[in-house]
Amino acid sequence: GAVVSQHPSRVICKSGTSVKIECRSLDFQATTMFWYRQFPKKSLMLMATSNEGSKATYEQGVEKDKFLINHASLTLSTLTVTSAHPEDSSFYICSAGRTGDSSPLHFGNGTRLTVT
Amino acid sequence: AQSVAQPEDQVNVAEGNPLTVKCTYSVSGNPYLFWYVQYPNRGLQFLLKYITGDNLVKGSYGFEAEFNKSQTSFHLKKPSALVSDSALYFCAVRDGGNTPLVFGKGTRLSVIA
Repeated sequence: GAVVSQHPSRVICKSGTSVKIECRSLDFQATTMFWYRQFPKKSLMLMATSNEGSKATYEQGVEKDKFLINHASLTLSTLTVTSAHPEDSSFYICSAGRTGDSSPLHFGNGTRLTVT
Repeated sequence: AQSVAQPEDQVNVAEGNPLTVKCTYSVSGNPYLFWYVQYPNRGLQFLLKYITGDNLVKGSYGFEAEFNKSQTSFHLKKPSALVSDSALYFCAVRDGGNTPLVFGKGTRLSVIA
C-alpha cells in the first residue's frame, strides 16, 4: 500500500492565489522529504529538500519565496505555491524515505496544478 | 556530481517479447541505483534497486536489472513484455545517506499487442 500520501491530487486556481500541497509519510517518520516538479514529457526536477524542524534547502533556480516549504513534523511536509501564475502549472511530486542508505524513496501520487 | 543517462526516449516491443530499457550512470563513489515506473498522472512506483551484492537484481512485476560496473550500466529487463507494462520508466541514482534521487530523462515503453 501507499506509504506516502499527497493531497490534493488535482487543483485549479486563479492567477495570483496561493495553493498548499501536503505530503505525508504514512507509516514511518521522515526527517527529510523531497519535492520534485515534472514538466510534460520531461523528467523530474528536484526543487528542494525539506528538513524537519529547519529551513528547506532549495535547488539553484528555484525561488524560495514563491515555493514555500514547511516541514513541521516528522510525517508532514507542505509546499505552498504563492501568488501562482500560469507558468507554475505543473505536476508536483513529493517523496520520502526511511532512514538508511539503501532505502528507496517512496513517492506520493503527485499534484496536478493548473493556474488559470 | 552524479548523473544518469537514458539514451532512448521511446522503446517499442511486441507483447511476449523480451524488453530492455537502457541506463548508464556516473557517480564519484559507489552507486545506489534504482528503477521507477510512472503511469499517467501518477507518482512513481519503485521497481528495484542495486546497492551491493549480486549484479542481477530482481524486482516487482517480473522486472530485473543487471548492474555492470565496467560499463557503468544498469539496464532494466523483462523476459516477456505485457501490454500493461506500457508506461514511463525512470532510472535514478542516489549518493547514499538521506539524499535525493537524481533521475534520467525517462524512457517511454510501449508494448504492442
